[in-house]
Amino acid sequence: GAVVSQHPSWVICKSGTSVKIECRSLDFQATTMFWYRQFPKQSLMLMATSNEGSKATYEQGVEKDKFLINHASLTLSTLTVTSAHPEDSSFYICSAAVAAHNEQFFGPGTRLTVL
Amino acid sequence: AQSVTQLDSHVSVSEGTPVLLRCNYSSSYSPSLFWYVQHPNKGLQLLLKYTSAATLVKGINGFEAEFKKSETSFHLTKPSAHMSDAAEYFCVVKTTSGTYKYIFGTGTRLKVLA
Repeated sequence: GAVVSQHPSWVICKSGTSVKIECRSLDFQATTMFWYRQFPKQSLMLMATSNEGSKATYEQGVEKDKFLINHASLTLSTLTVTSAHPEDSSFYICSAAVAAHNEQFFGPGTRLTVL
Repeated sequence: AQSVTQLDSHVSVSEGTPVLLRCNYSSSYSPSLFWYVQHPNKGLQLLLKYTSAATLVKGINGFEAEFKKSETSFHLTKPSAHMSDAAEYFCVVKTTSGTYKYIFGTGTRLKVLA
C-alpha cells in the first residue's frame, strides 16, 4: 500500500513553455502533499506544502507565480512550471502524507529538462 | 527552528565492514526523525523512523539507528555493508511548529568497496 505516482517521469520542453506535473496517491487519501526539487548530487529542497482544497504554502525563495500548485482532491496534486527556463531544469519529487501516519510517501520523481 | 545536520558528505567502507552515517538534529521538542535511502535513478525509500517510542529503531535491510537526546544525534548503522548499500542517505526531521513539514539533511553518499 501507500503508492504515489508521478506523471510524466521525464519531460523535455522549450524555454518559455509551461509544464504540468501530476502527483497521485493511488491507494490512500492524502491530506497533505509536498513538492521538492533536487539538483544533481544535492539534497531535496522543499518547495511547497499543499493541503486539499486550500492554497499551497510556499517556502521562502520559491516563486508562487512560477510554480503553480493545485491540490484539487485528496488523491491529486499538480505542479505547473510556468514559462520554464533552463535554470528550472531539475528533478521534481512529490510526496503524500496522511496526518494520522507519521510518514510521507514519495513519488518516483519527474526529470524536467528545459532547452 | 528544527533542522538536521549530516556530518559526512561521503563515506567509504569495505564490503562486510560496519557502516556509520552520522546525523545531528536541532529541535526544541521531541522530534520525529527519519532515514531515507535514494539509489541512483530510483525513488526515496524509508529505512526507519523514530517517533518517541523505543530509542533504538530497527529498519529494513539490517539498518538501525539510535536516538540519543543527550547528544542530539540519530546516527544510522549497519553491522556489515553490502555492495547494494551504495547509495545516497538522507536524515530528515519532521517539524512540529505550525503546519508540519519535513526538512532534509544535505545527504551522505555511501560508497562500498569490494
